[in-house]
Amino acid sequence: DIQMTQSPSSLSASVGDRVTITCRASQSISIYLNWYQQKPGKAPKLLIYGASSLQSGVPSRFSGSGSGTDFTLTISSLHPEDFATYYCQQSYSTPRTFGQGTKVEIK
Amino acid sequence: EVQLVESGGGLVQPGGSLRLSCAASEFSVSSNYMSWVRQAPGKGLEWVSIIYSGGSTYYADSVKGRFTISRDNLKNTLYLQMNSLRAEDTAVYYCARDLFIDSRGHGMDVWGQGTTVTVSS
Repeated sequence: DIQMTQSPSSLSASVGDRVTITCRASQSISIYLNWYQQKPGKAPKLLIYGASSLQSGVPSRFSGSGSGTDFTLTISSLHPEDFATYYCQQSYSTPRTFGQGTKVEIK
Repeated sequence: EVQLVESGGGLVQPGGSLRLSCAASEFSVSSNYMSWVRQAPGKGLEWVSIIYSGGSTYYADSVKGRFTISRDNLKNTLYLQMNSLRAEDTAVYYCARDLFIDSRGHGMDVWGQGTTVTVSS
């Protein structure tokens, strides 16, 4: 099975900050990496698929990059509604493993 | 509106069984990959199972041999039969459409609201 490792596990940031979250796969997954946002008590929401493609309706301040084993999610300027937990997930193979999550908190 | 609505969660004793349902609207369950994902209290997301459009099924090692994913094409509903339940199966269970979006791959683009399963005596 492919293991997904995110870092950091949590971070504190202010509105307007640029935030970067990283995700590493235990083997190459090409570009088959997705990012999700989850708010407390809510289902996850797909933000980025294929490592860098923005899902329909997602604000352009979100971007993704990477290929192979190393990926990043960047929020160019944090908005109040972006405080949430973010998960990476590989769609290269089954099982569809998730990273452990990164909680973005208000500083 | 494209949506998924789960039901069937509840309190069950260790060793018991439960069947979760996930009713789809405005798209066909049988034409898509469909997954179950769970989240234990205060923990991260854990992928549980998937059924491909062709009918192949796969499971996480943690549930293999105990859980069965299936679908009813006429009812346009996805199911998760859970047997031999353990305390560590306690979680919110989500169903999700695992859509082939384009050449850049699949993504879980539609999620249900979640249904809570509690395994306790």
